[in-house]
Amino acid sequence: GAVVSQHPSWVICKSGTSVKIECRSLDFQATTMFWYRQFPKQSLMLMATSNEGSKATYEQGVEKDKFLINHASLTLSTLTVTSAHPEDSSFYICSARDPGQLTSGNTIYFGEGSWLTVV
Amino acid sequence: DAKTTQPPSMDCAEGRAANLPCNHSTISGNEYVYWYRQIHSQGPQYIIHGLKNNETNEMASLIITEDRKSSTLILPHATLRDTAVYYCIVRVSFYNQGGKLIFGQGTELSVKP
Repeated sequence: GAVVSQHPSWVICKSGTSVKIECRSLDFQATTMFWYRQFPKQSLMLMATSNEGSKATYEQGVEKDKFLINHASLTLSTLTVTSAHPEDSSFYICSARDPGQLTSGNTIYFGEGSWLTVV
Repeated sequence: DAKTTQPPSMDCAEGRAANLPCNHSTISGNEYVYWYRQIHSQGPQYIIHGLKNNETNEMASLIITEDRKSSTLILPHATLRDTAVYYCIVRVSFYNQGGKLIFGQGTELSVKP
C-alpha cells in the first residue's frame, strides 16, 4: 500500500541552528502534504498544509518564518526549523493524501515521525 | 468539522473485546466518522471509517448509532500490541476535500495481560 517516509527519524541539533526534516510519498504523487507537531503526552497539532508548487498554508499561531515548508516536487515536502530553540524539541509528523484513490475511504497516510531535540 | 468527545483512558484485558466510545452530537449529514490510532512514538495509523452503516474490516468494527451522534470502535480480541491512543475524528469525505485532520485528545487504551 501507499507509504509515506520521513527522514531523519531523530535528530539532535544545537540551539540557534536550523534543521531540515523530509517527508516523501514513496509510491504515489502528493500535491498536498500536512505537517503536525506533537509534544509528549499531547495530541497531534496541525502546523501547516504543504502545497506542491505554491506557498504553504499555516495554522493560526504557527510562525511561518520559523517553520519553513517547501514542497518542490510531487513526492517531497521539507520542514525546516530555523534558529531552533529547546522549546522546539518535539515529535514532527507528516501526512500525505493519495489523490489516486477515488473513494471516500482511507487516502491519508502518515510518516513514521521525526524526533527533534534541541540542546 | 464536528467536535468529538472521548474518554481519556481505558483498560482492557488481553483477549477480550475493547469497546471505545466516541460522542459527536454535532455531526453533519455529510460527515464521516474516522478512527486512527497512534502507537507510542509512531505516526497515526488508519483503522476504519463509516458514514451511517456499521462497518467491519480486518482490524475492527465500527458501530454508529442511528442518530449518528455517537459511535463505538470495537477491537474484538485485543492484544498487547493494540495498546495505543485511539482518535475519533469527524470530517467530510477526503474525496476531493483535502486531507486535513484535526486530532482531539483521544483515548489511551491499555491492554493488560
